Amino acid sequence: GEDVEQSLFLSVREGDSSVINCTYTDSSSTYLYWYKQEPGAGLQLLTYIFSNMDMKQDQRLTVLLNKKDKHLSLRIADTQTGDSAIYFCADQSPGTYKYIFGTGTRLKVLA
Amino acid sequence: DADVTQTPRNRITKTGKRIMLECSQTKGHDRMYWYRQDPGLGLRLIYYSFDVKDINKGEISDGYSVSRQAQAKFSLSLESAIPNQTALYFCATSDLGNNEQFFGPGTRLTVL
Repeated sequence: GEDVEQSLFLSVREGDSSVINCTYTDSSSTYLYWYKQEPGAGLQLLTYIFSNMDMKQDQRLTVLLNKKDKHLSLRIADTQTGDSAIYFCADQSPGTYKYIFGTGTRLKVLA
Repeated sequence: DADVTQTPRNRITKTGKRIMLECSQTKGHDRMYWYRQDPGLGLRLIYYSFDVKDINKGEISDGYSVSRQAQAKFSLSLESAIPNQTALYFCATSDLGNNEQFFGPGTRLTVL
């Protein structure tokens, strides 16, 4: 079946940039998403990118998509302690409303 | 008030017991989903429903059943709980034509 993979942990210093990476196997993915899960809470959509785009920027967030390598990344500029959370990437195939989630990357921001 | 609510938030039960987890939403969405989250495995889809008369199995439906009692309510049942069903369970909703899913706060279930 289709698969989405992420590294499990990332640690950065406050003020630095964070880059969270994701690889996926479904070449027909139409949308790719980044969700954030804060402690004790459900997931919240951060941003998403259409498969025909290479990059999307939204304030401190930059999403890069390399379709050839099936690689997605989320860059958080000027990372703050409030950015500490688990970040999930997810893909969605055309004609379905189901997501395939990655394992989640736990981001720890050090003061 | 939260748009997607789950009850209970925490539950400890014993092997063999029947458990029901409930999800309610005030968003007016037709589509509802149940996921489980396990450390290192991300979220996996258990069941989903596109309207009141539509129920579909996800990737890990064995040992679970669901009921869509109304547009706003979608419950998940474990007929005979077993320890490897210990996990965090999330309900989510989405609207027709909109891909974003909105998640509830989760139910932490422990099966002893």
